[in-house]
Amino acid sequence: QKEVEQNSGPLSVPEGAIASLNCTYSDRGSQSFFWYRQYSGKSPELIMSIYSNGDKEDGRFTAQLNKASQYVSLLIRDSQPSDSATYLCAVINGAGSARQLTFGSGTQLTVLP
Amino acid sequence: DTGVSQNPRHKITKRGQNVTFRCDPISEHNRLYWYRQTLGQGPEFLTYFQNEAQLEKSRLLSDRFSAERPKGSFSTLEIQRTEQGDSAMYLCASSPGQNYGYTFGSGTRLTVV
Repeated sequence: QKEVEQNSGPLSVPEGAIASLNCTYSDRGSQSFFWYRQYSGKSPELIMSIYSNGDKEDGRFTAQLNKASQYVSLLIRDSQPSDSATYLCAVINGAGSARQLTFGSGTQLTVLP
Repeated sequence: DTGVSQNPRHKITKRGQNVTFRCDPISEHNRLYWYRQTLGQGPEFLTYFQNEAQLEKSRLLSDRFSAERPKGSFSTLEIQRTEQGDSAMYLCASSPGQNYGYTFGSGTRLTVV
């Protein structure tokens, strides 16, 4: 079982729709959760962080965390073609002293004009 | 620009040659990370420094790979006797503390021919 799992997609949504991206993680002790956006040929860019159960909103983005279900999601409202990218879920796992970020393989999102 | 800086942006080398990459993190960040990313995959952790101390190395980091951060500022990643399987994007990231998201540099794309 991978430590961080995402549906690879591709996920296509029409412009203006809500895009929903999902992620599950295996380490129950994980405490910090992040979403990165990566455009083709570019490096990952941090767009959201979430640390406690519930929702966190930032502009058109909402991150949702459910630690009991070991589930993190990202909602993008009013999707724009410029949102077309790969979205990476990343988790700081709970074990060990270094506790580095572990990434999923990403979900490719295409927003159709 | 006070972001994470990586050099070179691209490197093409012949199999068997040695290559060295440089990373300059955000100056206030004491934690520095190296990741490797191949097409269609999320970044994979290679190694981590806190100040000048290398605190963790992934089992992905074979003995052909070595990383240094001599004065706790910039870091170098050297790959000796490169192989075609080393072709990837090498990403450097930094963070100010344990539970913070990482800021990535633009990466160095290595092609081994």
